[in-house]
Order: sequence, then C-alpha cells, then structure tokens
Amino acid sequence: EVQLVESGGGLVQPGGSLRLSCAASGFTFSHYWMSWVRQAPGKGLEWVANINQDGSEKHYVDSVKGRFTISRDNAKNSLFMQVNSLRAEDTAVYYCARGGTQQLETWGQGTLVTVSS
Amino acid sequence: DIVMTQTPLSSPVTLGQPASISCRSSQSLVHSDGNTYLSWLQQRPGQPPRLLIYKISNRFSGVPDRFSGSGAGTDFTLQISRVEAEDVGVYYCMQATQPPLTFGGGTKVEIK
Repeated sequence: EVQLVESGGGLVQPGGSLRLSCAASGFTFSHYWMSWVRQAPGKGLEWVANINQDGSEKHYVDSVKGRFTISRDNAKNSLFMQVNSLRAEDTAVYYCARGGTQQLETWGQGTLVTVSS
Repeated sequence: DIVMTQTPLSSPVTLGQPASISCRSSQSLVHSDGNTYLSWLQQRPGQPPRLLIYKISNRFSGVPDRFSGSGAGTDFTLQISRVEAEDVGVYYCMQATQPPLTFGGGTKVEIK
C-alpha cells in the first residue's frame, strides 16, 4: 500500500523555522517527483514546491522562494521541507504528495504548521 | 500563472441524482507533449485530498465509475452520475501543464 506520513509541524513564532518530513512507503520512492501542497484553515489548496527524482530540479511558488527549501533522501525514502522566516500567512496544513509534473496521485494526512506569537 | 475557475461554489444535490462541476482555465492546458494535465481531486470533511481523475478523463485506481471527466482546451467538467452520501465534500480541479501547479477554488457538494 502506498503511504505518505508527514511530521514536523507545530506552533512557531513569526520568524521561526521548522523542518517538515514525509516518510514514504509502498512504492519505489526514487522513481517519482514529489510535492508539498498546503491548505490554510478553511481555505483551498496551494501548491508550494516540488522536486524531481534525484533532487537536481526544484521549483517553488513565488511566496516561499528564498524561505523554504525542499529536499529528499532516496536512501531513507524521505521528503523534507525546511521552512524558515515563517509568517502568519504560512499557517496551514502541509501535505506531501506523490507526483509533481502531471498529477498528484497520493497524499499524506498532513502536518499542521501554526505561526503565531 | 494559470488561473483555474470553478463553478458553482456550492452544489446541493439529492441522493441518487447527478451532479456536475465546471472548471475553466485562463489559458489552454494542452502541453507541448500533446497531453492535457487537468485532474480532479475530492476532499471529504477532515480528510486529505484524493485523486479522482487525471488527464481530463482517466479514473484513478479505485475510483467508482460514477465519476467521469470531460472537456478540452480551457473548459472541463466533472460529473457524478448518481450522488451517494460518501461523495459529500469539496472538489478541486488542478492543472499541471504549466508551472506553478494551480488549483481551482473548490466546489462544495452537499446533500439537500
């Protein structure tokens, strides 16, 4: 069974940092693009970043460029996102998803990031 | 960026009756490789999104055949032939033809 499990969210003050993780299982992780998508409370979906199979190609939504960094460790079947300089508007559930250039096939349960003083 | 516009915002439906959701993109979603990367996702209350349809009309694994997708270019439709109670939720269209990936605002399907 394909499974994605996010972790690393929490309450952080404005300007703070977190490292989000996504553990993948049930498929050959190194064969797939991977993405992060977020959803602010009561709002719609916003794609945040994606990364290709070997980590050599990365793309970001404009609002997080320079603050967020996506990465992966294929040996550990894991996807990461370092989120720095957090703002109130970054408050959201962050989902990792398999895929990135065609469709987002499988989603994790998400991890909640709350930015508040 | 490509803007995805969904209508209606909300769709109250009687159980067993059909439902239809429209999605319009601000520019053509035909990729240079000839494919159209328009997909539909379902988000049930309290759950993560789930892929239903990809490349306009292909049902993802495990998706009931009461869900179907159609369209071309800039205009797309998701149809549910007979709505069941488990179909309640918010439905999103998404394009992956041109980065950044963008989503429609969502359509809430609820039972009358």
